[in-house]
Amino acid sequence: AQKVTQAQTEISVVEKEDVTLDCVYETRDTTYYLFWYKQPPSGELVFLIRRNSFDEQNEISGRYSWNFQKSTSSFNFTITASQVVDSAVYFCALSEDNTGNQFYFGTGTSLTVIP
Amino acid sequence: DAGVIQSPRHEVTEMGQEVTLRCKPISGHDYLFWYRQTMMRGLELLIYFNNNVPIDDSGMPEDRFSAKMPNASFSTLKIQPSEPRDSAVYFCASSSRTEGNTIYFGEGSWLTVV
Repeated sequence: AQKVTQAQTEISVVEKEDVTLDCVYETRDTTYYLFWYKQPPSGELVFLIRRNSFDEQNEISGRYSWNFQKSTSSFNFTITASQVVDSAVYFCALSEDNTGNQFYFGTGTSLTVIP
Repeated sequence: DAGVIQSPRHEVTEMGQEVTLRCKPISGHDYLFWYRQTMMRGLELLIYFNNNVPIDDSGMPEDRFSAKMPNASFSTLKIQPSEPRDSAVYFCASSSRTEGNTIYFGEGSWLTVV
């Protein structure tokens, strides 16, 4: 079974629209970390955010916000007022504390922001 | 601070040739990972090290692939002999448990085997 599921393969939005990227995870550990990474067309993988399992506070960073809900095992990512530079593939990932730092990546969501 | 440094950035080689990819992790990180990314298979973990010791190499495709980490600041991924299906982007990454397990990636090595 997939530990991290990103059901949205591709999303297209028009510039300035808000968009939410979904991420559902599966773990039996009580201590774990959740991540989002961005991969722009240039190809590098850029770390965006980390949350640990004990911190369910939502986080906002500029136009980016993250909604962590343990009750639904979800860690969703919202971009408000999207811009063309947001076009990228976004990966959600899980790291469990007892698995030696092994990461589980989702399959990624390709976001295209149309000008 | 310098991030994860990989070389070469791009390599084109002929089938059957040996390919060596190099990686310098972030100083102080005790975990090092090698990933491969293709359109068909997405992001795959090949192998990871902890304190220079290979912990899990179950993702290494076959005996043609080998990875070493002779010291804390250097790792290699070798393919011998290379085949066209090895064409991919190979990422090296490093992390530290003291930084909440966050993995930081290098810019990748784009390998094309013709």
